[in-house]
Amino acid sequence: EAGVAQSPRYKIIEKRQSVAFWCNPISGHATLYWYQQILGQGPKLLIQFQNNGVVDDSQLPKDRFSAERLKGVDSTLKIQPAKLEDSAVYLCASSPQRYEQYFGPGTRLTVT
Amino acid sequence: AQSVTQLDSQVPVFEEAPVELRCNYSSSVSVYLFWYVQYPNQGLQLLLKYLSGSTLVKGINGFEAEFNKSQTSFHLRKPSVHISDTAEYFCAVSAAGNQFYFGTGTSLTVIP
Repeated sequence: EAGVAQSPRYKIIEKRQSVAFWCNPISGHATLYWYQQILGQGPKLLIQFQNNGVVDDSQLPKDRFSAERLKGVDSTLKIQPAKLEDSAVYLCASSPQRYEQYFGPGTRLTVT
Repeated sequence: AQSVTQLDSQVPVFEEAPVELRCNYSSSVSVYLFWYVQYPNQGLQLLLKYLSGSTLVKGINGFEAEFNKSQTSFHLRKPSVHISDTAEYFCAVSAAGNQFYFGTGTSLTVIP
């Protein structure tokens, strides 16, 4: 079974530029999560989808971050414009049921 | 709301020695508890989880954890560590099994 795929793996941009990350969850997993993991911290939930609907986006900075999950499968997370404090690893996870999460390898974003 | 405290940010230990990584949680409701491991440049991988039943939970790679409700703790242990156990370890809590809150992580370094 293929795991959660993410791309790109690494991205370096200048502040005020925009960036997009892509996630392909495990086939059949209805729930998809985006986490932000700042260096030295644990993952923080940004947004949770159930199929193509948003379950929780209370910690998503909506003035600059947006996310969508088209057709309940792939998802994209966008930052526009980026700030220095957005430098982090962005993790995507998918879940087939409660109590389970499968993580992708993450995208490491550096904002200069 | 739930929260997790990992008391030790870094734990060095000699190879073949035992190790304990500490985790305390805070919640006003019953919770489910998890330990994840993150190897460099990889996503998180589930080590073990406590949902109900026996308070001693066994996971992969020889790890185990004990749920202590009175002390609100879920410490991770391994009787004899290997070089390959060097990684970042995260404790996580969930009240309903579909939203997870992570601690700040403990960096385990196994010294040859």
